[in-house]
Amino acid sequence: QKEVEQNSGPLSVPEGAIASLNCTYSDRGSQSFFWYRQYSGKSPELIMSIYSNGDKEDGRFTAQLNKASQYVSLLIRDSQPSDSATYLCAVPPRSSNTGKLIFGQGTTLQVKP
Amino acid sequence: DTGVSQDPRHKITKRGQNVTFRCDPISEHNRLYWYRQTLGQGPEFLTYFQNEAQLEKSRLLSDRFSAERPKGSFSTLEIQRTEQGDSAMYLCASSPGFMINTEAFFGQGTRLTVV
Repeated sequence: QKEVEQNSGPLSVPEGAIASLNCTYSDRGSQSFFWYRQYSGKSPELIMSIYSNGDKEDGRFTAQLNKASQYVSLLIRDSQPSDSATYLCAVPPRSSNTGKLIFGQGTTLQVKP
Repeated sequence: DTGVSQDPRHKITKRGQNVTFRCDPISEHNRLYWYRQTLGQGPEFLTYFQNEAQLEKSRLLSDRFSAERPKGSFSTLEIQRTEQGDSAMYLCASSPGFMINTEAFFGQGTRLTVV
Protein backbone atom coordinates (compact mmCIF):
# COMPACT_ATOMS: atom_id res chain seq x y z
CA GLN A 1 0.00 0.00 0.00
CA LYS A 2 1.33 3.42 -0.94
CA GLU A 3 1.70 5.89 1.90
CA VAL A 4 -0.47 8.48 0.14
CA GLU A 5 -2.83 7.45 -2.61
CA GLN A 6 -4.78 9.48 -5.12
CA ASN A 7 -6.68 8.58 -8.25
CA SER A 8 -4.58 9.95 -11.09
CA GLY A 9 -7.65 10.84 -13.16
CA PRO A 10 -8.17 12.79 -15.25
CA LEU A 11 -11.25 14.06 -13.47
CA SER A 12 -13.35 16.05 -15.89
CA VAL A 13 -16.07 18.42 -14.70
CA PRO A 14 -18.07 21.13 -16.47
CA GLU A 15 -17.50 24.75 -15.61
CA GLY A 16 -19.52 25.75 -12.55
CA ALA A 17 -19.73 22.23 -11.12
CA ILE A 18 -18.22 20.92 -7.89
CA ALA A 19 -14.96 19.00 -8.28
CA SER A 20 -14.24 16.41 -5.60
CA LEU A 21 -10.67 15.18 -5.17
CA ASN A 22 -9.84 12.36 -2.81
CA CYS A 23 -6.78 11.14 -0.95
CA THR A 24 -6.14 8.26 1.43
CA TYR A 25 -3.10 7.83 3.64
CA SER A 26 -1.64 4.88 5.48
CA ASP A 27 -0.04 6.46 8.57
CA ARG A 28 -2.81 6.52 11.17
CA GLY A 29 -0.79 8.90 13.32
CA SER A 30 -0.49 11.64 10.69
CA GLN A 31 -1.49 15.04 12.03
CA SER A 32 -1.22 17.45 9.11
CA PHE A 33 -2.53 17.34 5.59
CA PHE A 34 -1.83 19.61 2.67
CA TRP A 35 -3.26 20.17 -0.78
CA TYR A 36 -1.02 21.61 -3.48
CA ARG A 37 -2.03 22.71 -6.95
CA GLN A 38 0.43 22.22 -9.78
CA TYR A 39 -0.05 23.67 -13.23
CA SER A 40 1.66 21.89 -16.08
CA GLY A 41 5.37 22.63 -16.07
CA LYS A 42 5.16 24.66 -12.88
CA SER A 43 5.98 23.98 -9.24
CA PRO A 44 3.47 22.95 -6.55
CA GLU A 45 1.56 25.79 -4.91
CA LEU A 46 0.02 25.33 -1.47
CA ILE A 47 -3.73 25.95 -1.50
CA MET A 48 -5.07 24.31 1.67
CA SER A 49 -3.90 22.80 4.92
CA ILE A 50 -6.02 20.93 7.47
CA TYR A 51 -5.13 19.58 10.87
CA SER A 52 -8.44 18.65 12.56
CA ASN A 53 -11.30 16.37 11.66
CA GLY A 54 -14.09 18.07 9.80
CA ASP A 55 -14.23 20.74 7.14
CA LYS A 56 -12.09 23.78 6.48
CA GLU A 57 -13.29 26.33 3.96
CA ASP A 58 -11.28 28.94 2.09
CA GLY A 59 -13.13 30.70 -0.70
CA ARG A 60 -14.22 28.14 -3.28
CA PHE A 61 -12.08 25.43 -1.67
CA THR A 62 -13.11 23.11 1.15
CA ALA A 63 -10.82 20.52 2.67
CA GLN A 64 -12.41 17.63 4.54
CA LEU A 65 -10.56 15.35 6.94
CA ASN A 66 -11.67 12.06 8.46
CA LYS A 67 -8.83 10.61 10.51
CA ALA A 68 -10.77 7.49 11.47
CA SER A 69 -11.11 6.59 7.80
CA GLN A 70 -7.65 8.01 6.94
CA TYR A 71 -9.23 10.08 4.23
CA VAL A 72 -8.81 13.69 3.16
CA SER A 73 -10.61 15.38 0.32
CA LEU A 74 -10.67 18.69 -1.49
CA LEU A 75 -13.85 20.17 -2.90
CA ILE A 76 -13.73 22.96 -5.45
CA ARG A 77 -17.02 24.78 -5.85
CA ASP A 78 -17.99 26.68 -9.00
CA SER A 79 -15.09 25.12 -10.89
CA GLN A 80 -13.40 27.37 -13.43
CA PRO A 81 -11.23 26.46 -16.43
CA SER A 82 -8.36 28.11 -14.54
CA ASP A 83 -8.70 25.37 -11.91
CA SER A 84 -7.49 22.83 -14.48
CA ALA A 85 -4.31 21.48 -12.93
CA THR A 86 -2.91 18.55 -11.01
CA TYR A 87 -3.84 18.49 -7.33
CA LEU A 88 -1.35 16.88 -4.98
CA CYS A 89 -2.17 15.56 -1.54
CA ALA A 90 0.78 15.68 0.88
CA VAL A 91 1.21 14.25 4.37
CA PRO A 92 4.19 14.51 6.76
CA PRO A 93 4.94 11.04 8.19
CA ARG A 94 4.61 10.74 11.96
CA SER A 95 7.94 8.90 12.03
CA SER A 96 9.80 12.00 10.92
CA ASN A 97 10.10 15.30 12.79
CA THR A 98 11.61 17.11 9.82
CA GLY A 99 8.41 18.25 8.18
CA LYS A 100 9.21 16.38 4.98
CA LEU A 101 6.17 15.59 2.88
CA ILE A 102 5.00 12.35 1.32
CA PHE A 103 3.02 13.15 -1.82
CA GLY A 104 0.40 11.23 -3.68
CA GLN A 105 0.83 10.96 -7.43
CA GLY A 106 -1.71 13.71 -7.96
CA THR A 107 -5.12 13.94 -9.58
CA THR A 108 -5.42 15.81 -12.85
CA LEU A 109 -8.51 18.00 -12.99
CA GLN A 110 -9.96 19.23 -16.26
CA VAL A 111 -12.66 21.89 -16.10
CA LYS A 112 -14.44 22.19 -19.42
CA PRO A 113 -16.05 25.48 -20.46
CA ASP B 1 12.33 38.39 -0.96
CA THR B 2 9.15 37.07 -2.50
CA GLY B 3 9.68 33.33 -2.46
CA VAL B 4 11.98 30.40 -2.99
CA SER B 5 14.33 30.95 -5.89
CA GLN B 6 16.04 28.23 -7.91
CA ASP B 7 18.72 28.45 -10.53
CA PRO B 8 18.98 27.44 -13.29
CA ARG B 9 15.42 26.87 -14.42
CA HIS B 10 16.49 24.43 -17.09
CA LYS B 11 19.63 22.38 -17.58
CA ILE B 12 20.52 20.05 -20.43
CA THR B 13 23.63 17.99 -19.90
CA LYS B 14 25.36 15.05 -21.45
CA ARG B 15 25.43 11.74 -19.63
CA GLY B 16 28.42 11.51 -17.36
CA GLN B 17 28.73 15.24 -16.72
CA ASN B 18 28.35 16.86 -13.31
CA VAL B 19 25.64 19.42 -12.62
CA THR B 20 24.95 21.76 -9.71
CA PHE B 21 21.70 23.46 -8.81
CA ARG B 22 21.16 26.33 -6.41
CA CYS B 23 18.25 27.14 -4.11
CA ASP B 24 17.69 30.37 -2.20
CA PRO B 25 14.95 29.82 0.40
CA ILE B 26 12.63 32.42 1.88
CA SER B 27 14.94 34.43 4.10
CA GLU B 28 13.42 33.67 7.51
CA HIS B 29 12.93 29.96 6.81
CA ASN B 30 15.49 27.70 8.45
CA ARG B 31 14.10 24.44 7.06
CA LEU B 32 15.06 23.54 3.50
CA TYR B 33 14.08 20.50 1.44
CA TRP B 34 15.02 19.05 -1.92
CA TYR B 35 12.54 16.94 -3.86
CA ARG B 36 12.62 15.25 -7.24
CA GLN B 37 9.60 14.93 -9.50
CA THR B 38 9.23 12.82 -12.61
CA LEU B 39 6.43 13.03 -15.13
CA GLY B 40 3.08 11.88 -13.78
CA GLN B 41 4.34 11.45 -10.24
CA GLY B 42 4.23 13.53 -7.10
CA PRO B 43 7.45 15.01 -5.73
CA GLU B 44 9.73 12.57 -3.88
CA PHE B 45 11.72 13.71 -0.87
CA LEU B 46 15.51 13.74 -1.31
CA THR B 47 17.05 15.57 1.63
CA TYR B 48 16.41 18.01 4.47
CA PHE B 49 18.43 20.78 6.11
CA GLN B 50 17.80 22.45 9.44
CA ASN B 51 19.90 25.59 9.11
CA GLU B 52 23.28 24.30 7.88
CA ALA B 53 22.85 20.75 9.16
CA GLN B 54 21.75 18.02 6.77
CA LEU B 55 19.54 15.96 9.05
CA GLU B 56 17.84 13.51 6.72
CA LYS B 57 18.60 11.90 3.38
CA SER B 58 16.35 9.63 1.39
CA ARG B 59 17.46 6.23 0.21
CA LEU B 60 16.75 7.68 -3.25
CA LEU B 61 19.81 9.87 -2.80
CA SER B 62 22.63 7.79 -4.26
CA ASP B 63 26.27 8.56 -3.57
CA ARG B 64 26.36 10.53 -6.82
CA PHE B 65 24.17 13.15 -5.18
CA SER B 66 25.45 15.62 -2.63
CA ALA B 67 23.80 18.61 -1.07
CA GLU B 68 25.11 21.45 1.04
CA ARG B 69 23.76 24.45 2.83
CA PRO B 70 26.73 26.49 4.01
CA LYS B 71 25.91 29.08 6.66
CA GLY B 72 22.30 27.97 6.67
CA SER B 73 21.35 30.20 3.78
CA PHE B 74 21.31 29.03 0.15
CA SER B 75 21.67 25.36 -0.73
CA THR B 76 23.27 23.50 -3.60
CA LEU B 77 22.49 20.07 -4.99
CA GLU B 78 25.20 18.43 -7.07
CA ILE B 79 24.77 15.35 -9.23
CA GLN B 80 27.97 13.68 -10.36
CA ARG B 81 28.28 11.44 -13.41
CA THR B 82 24.71 12.12 -14.50
CA GLU B 83 22.61 9.30 -15.90
CA GLN B 84 19.53 9.46 -18.09
CA GLY B 85 17.45 8.33 -15.13
CA ASP B 86 18.38 11.55 -13.35
CA SER B 87 16.23 13.50 -15.80
CA ALA B 88 13.53 15.10 -13.66
CA MET B 89 12.35 18.32 -12.09
CA TYR B 90 14.36 19.14 -8.98
CA LEU B 91 12.33 21.15 -6.51
CA CYS B 92 13.49 23.08 -3.50
CA ALA B 93 11.13 24.02 -0.67
CA SER B 94 11.49 25.93 2.56
CA SER B 95 9.44 26.38 5.71
CA PRO B 96 9.77 28.22 9.01
CA GLY B 97 11.17 26.10 11.80
CA PHE B 98 9.01 26.99 14.78
CA MET B 99 6.59 24.09 14.25
CA ILE B 100 7.22 20.66 12.83
CA ASN B 101 4.39 20.47 10.35
CA THR B 102 4.12 23.94 8.93
CA GLU B 103 3.50 24.56 5.28
CA ALA B 104 6.36 24.26 2.85
CA PHE B 105 6.74 26.65 -0.06
CA PHE B 106 8.28 25.49 -3.31
CA GLY B 107 10.55 27.19 -5.77
CA GLN B 108 9.97 27.05 -9.51
CA GLY B 109 12.24 24.05 -9.87
CA THR B 110 15.15 23.12 -12.07
CA ARG B 111 14.27 20.85 -14.95
CA LEU B 112 17.20 18.56 -15.74
CA THR B 113 17.46 16.71 -19.02
CA VAL B 114 20.30 14.22 -19.42
CA VAL B 115 20.99 13.30 -23.04
